[in-house]
Amino acid sequence: GIQVEQSPPDLILQEGANSTLRCNFSDSVNNLQWFHQNPWGQLINLFYIPSGTKQNGRLSATTVATERYSLLYISSSQTTDSGVYFCAVGWNTGNQFYFGTGTSLTVIP
Amino acid sequence: DTAVSQTPKYLVTQMGNDKSIKCEQNLGHDTMYWYKQDSKKFLKIMFSYNNKELIINETVPNRFSPKSPDKAHLNLHINSLELGDSAVYFCASSPPTSGRFSSTDTQYFGPGTRLTVL
Repeated sequence: GIQVEQSPPDLILQEGANSTLRCNFSDSVNNLQWFHQNPWGQLINLFYIPSGTKQNGRLSATTVATERYSLLYISSSQTTDSGVYFCAVGWNTGNQFYFGTGTSLTVIP
Repeated sequence: DTAVSQTPKYLVTQMGNDKSIKCEQNLGHDTMYWYKQDSKKFLKIMFSYNNKELIINETVPNRFSPKSPDKAHLNLHINSLELGDSAVYFCASSPPTSGRFSSTDTQYFGPGTRLTVL
């Protein structure tokens, strides 16, 4: 299967700071998603971004499929941004969908 | 209104027992999934199911069997539970794309079921 690596594994930020999370993957894919798992365990889809750039409020994501990486930007972080951010990649057919190891983010007031 | 719901939220049971986890979605989606998240937070897809077509991850033991009574429900039945089955199990659903299902369509997750096998 595809190897999906995320960095950094852990991140602690002061409220209001900006951050960039990275996702590298080992094979060509045509679909990529970012998820946030909050401290209560709920998984929320943030972006469906196989290529290009998308923005949603303070969050934005960029995927460069040809270079096999994606970036998630968090600006003006808030304590509610705390949790684990996962990148997941796959193809448009079948059951192949691979999650990365996650970045654990803690935003302190 | 809850979009994807799972019951129970917590399940504690003895090794060797058989148990089921139920999942229901009210989003009108055609495709549903089961995922396993281990103690290190690693998420792995177990099954995807679309209109009676079941795709099984070959690494999942055959003690695990999904059952879909209708499009809105995908239940997970586990036989002969083992210690290593302890994990959080997530159900998810996604809308169809161009009439075909895809495990990479935008997915909506349930709240998870924490299974502890003693």
